[in-house]
Amino acid sequence: NAGVTQTPKFQVLKTGQSMTLQCAQDMNHNSMYWYRQDPGMGLRLIYYSASEGTTDKGEVPNGYNVSRLNKREFSLRLESAAPSQTSVYFCASRRETLGYYGYTFGSGTRLTVV
Amino acid sequence: DQQVKQNSPSLSVQEGRISILNCDYTNSMFDYFLWYKKYPAEGPTFLISISSIKDKNEDGRFTVFLNKSAKHLSLHIVPSQPGDSAVYFCAASLMGNNNDMRFGAGTRLTVKP
Repeated sequence: NAGVTQTPKFQVLKTGQSMTLQCAQDMNHNSMYWYRQDPGMGLRLIYYSASEGTTDKGEVPNGYNVSRLNKREFSLRLESAAPSQTSVYFCASRRETLGYYGYTFGSGTRLTVV
Repeated sequence: DQQVKQNSPSLSVQEGRISILNCDYTNSMFDYFLWYKKYPAEGPTFLISISSIKDKNEDGRFTVFLNKSAKHLSLHIVPSQPGDSAVYFCAASLMGNNNDMRFGAGTRLTVKP
């Protein structure tokens, strides 16, 4: 039972480079989320997808794009990385029938932009 | 603008004693509150929650208290165990929008044997 799988676990980018963070869940959840965590701050929602084919902005969407490729996969793309995007990124999915506490998180991607 | 605040970055307690983690929020529209626990190199996992219509919820060693007038909630762990050592995040959800949880910065709990 893998749950939510994120790749890669670590990444170092140069300013201006692009990359895609991958996320996949095997729990048949409809909703998926991307959060970032910075030192001294809580997790902040970047984008979410309430169902396949839909995406919505969260609290801090600037500089990111997302794709809900299918029900299982939700990717986060940085088109032109900036040092301010250095962070730990968490993907999550949610089982609606459990309401708020149905979030399952991946183990995170630690991204450094130099 | 951090709407959920955990003002203690760290807390250290002795095994067997009570751990009390605190959380304050500013948005009176929050109607559901959660605590998540996070170990190093892992994602947060759900621990316990409380609806704004209640003032207490208990699950084994874990109890969450909500004081709406003070916009404050706390997590009590009794008795504390070394395996409870982790970072604890408080989170809150806006009324009618369960896709947008707001998290506090976390409190690192260390339980000493």
